Amino acid sequence: DAKTTQPPSMDCAEGRAANLPCNHSTISGNEYVYWYRQIHSQGPQYIIHGLKNNETNEMASLIITEDRKSSTLILPHATLRDTAVYYCIVTLNDYKLSFGAGTTVTVRA
Amino acid sequence: EAGVAQSPRYKIIEKRQSVAFWCNPISGHATLYWYQQILGQGPKLLIQFQNNGVVDDSQLPKDRFSAERLKGVDSTLKIQPAKLEDSAVYLCASSRSPPGKGQPQHFGDGTRLSIL
Repeated sequence: DAKTTQPPSMDCAEGRAANLPCNHSTISGNEYVYWYRQIHSQGPQYIIHGLKNNETNEMASLIITEDRKSSTLILPHATLRDTAVYYCIVTLNDYKLSFGAGTTVTVRA
Repeated sequence: EAGVAQSPRYKIIEKRQSVAFWCNPISGHATLYWYQQILGQGPKLLIQFQNNGVVDDSQLPKDRFSAERLKGVDSTLKIQPAKLEDSAVYLCASSRSPPGKGQPQHFGDGTRLSIL
């Protein structure tokens, strides 16, 4: 599976949009981009996934560049409860989730 | 729907003792996974079951770790004997469909194991 690169940490203000970048320059044509997050003392929580097209659900939006070498997770209106570690995972098979260090997102009031 | 249930929530044992963790997946989920998460790292897959059969156990330290999923529902993960480096959170996850179908994994809150 392709490797991903994420910034180790980022802050955002409550009520503002949070844009989380992820680089996956070696992604292959049939690999999916998955995003999970892990709030302190809880298990990871699925957010969203996509292959080529942009995706949106009740939690977030996923923007994938046309060359698929990078993506951005957008939390439209961040709240304090969105403080968590966010993992960007590229995988051929959905069961092979290789978690990296992720991005620690801190939402500040 | 009810989430993935795990117990116990916390466990403290001494090295060389044995320990077992239990997982009840979401109803109807055929695929079950066990992960190990060491402090400060992301989860690492230990074993994957499809119904009651093992699909992937390549990362499971088989000299001390064992797992079973009798009847294709609940699962137990055992460590015997435990080592200091086994201190971690053990996470169970389940998903609805076999690999490759784009179905997400749903995680329990894990068992935090401390080895003294």
